[in-house]
Amino acid sequence: GEDVEQSLFLSVREGDSSVINCTYTDSSSTYLYWYKQEPGAGLQLLTYIFSNMDMKQDQRLTVLLNKKDKHLSLRIADTQTGDSAIYFCAESTYNNNDMRFGAGTRLTVKP
Amino acid sequence: KAGVTQTPRYLIKTRGQQVTLSCSPISGHRSVSWYQQTPGQGLQFLFEYFSETQRNKGNFPGRFSGRQFSNSRSEMNVSTLELGDSALYLCASSSGTDFPNGYTFGSGTRLTVV
Repeated sequence: GEDVEQSLFLSVREGDSSVINCTYTDSSSTYLYWYKQEPGAGLQLLTYIFSNMDMKQDQRLTVLLNKKDKHLSLRIADTQTGDSAIYFCAESTYNNNDMRFGAGTRLTVKP
Repeated sequence: KAGVTQTPRYLIKTRGQQVTLSCSPISGHRSVSWYQQTPGQGLQFLFEYFSETQRNKGNFPGRFSGRQFSNSRSEMNVSTLELGDSALYLCASSSGTDFPNGYTFGSGTRLTVV
């Protein structure tokens, strides 16, 4: 089947930038998403990008997409302790609510 | 605007029993999707309901079923529970017609099978 892969752990110091990487295999992916999950909670949509874009910025978040390499990244500027959570990359195709998620990257922010 | 409500939050069941989980989507949302989250398999898509009809289905056995009511509330049922069904079950609602819309997730129902 089609896969979405992410590294499992990332640790950064407060104030540094965090970069979480994701690769996917489905060339028909149309939308790519980043979700955040805090302990005991559901997933919160952070941002998404169309496959015909290569960058999207939203306040402290920057999403970069390399469609040729099927590589997606999420950069969090000035990372805060409140950003500690699990971040999921996900993709879907056009007009389809069947989303495929990566395993999630656990981001730990140290003071 | 109320979020996605899942009930109950926690459940403990015995192997062989059946269980029903409930999800109330955001008002106006017509699509409800269900996911199973486990440490080993991550998030796996179960099925999606839109306007009372199952629109998409993942690769789960027939013991997993669902339905959606006219008010868009959805229920998920698991029969003949197995230990491996222990998981966090997440419900996500969306308009179902605007893409991409992303999902709004509920906080989940944590099912433990003993």
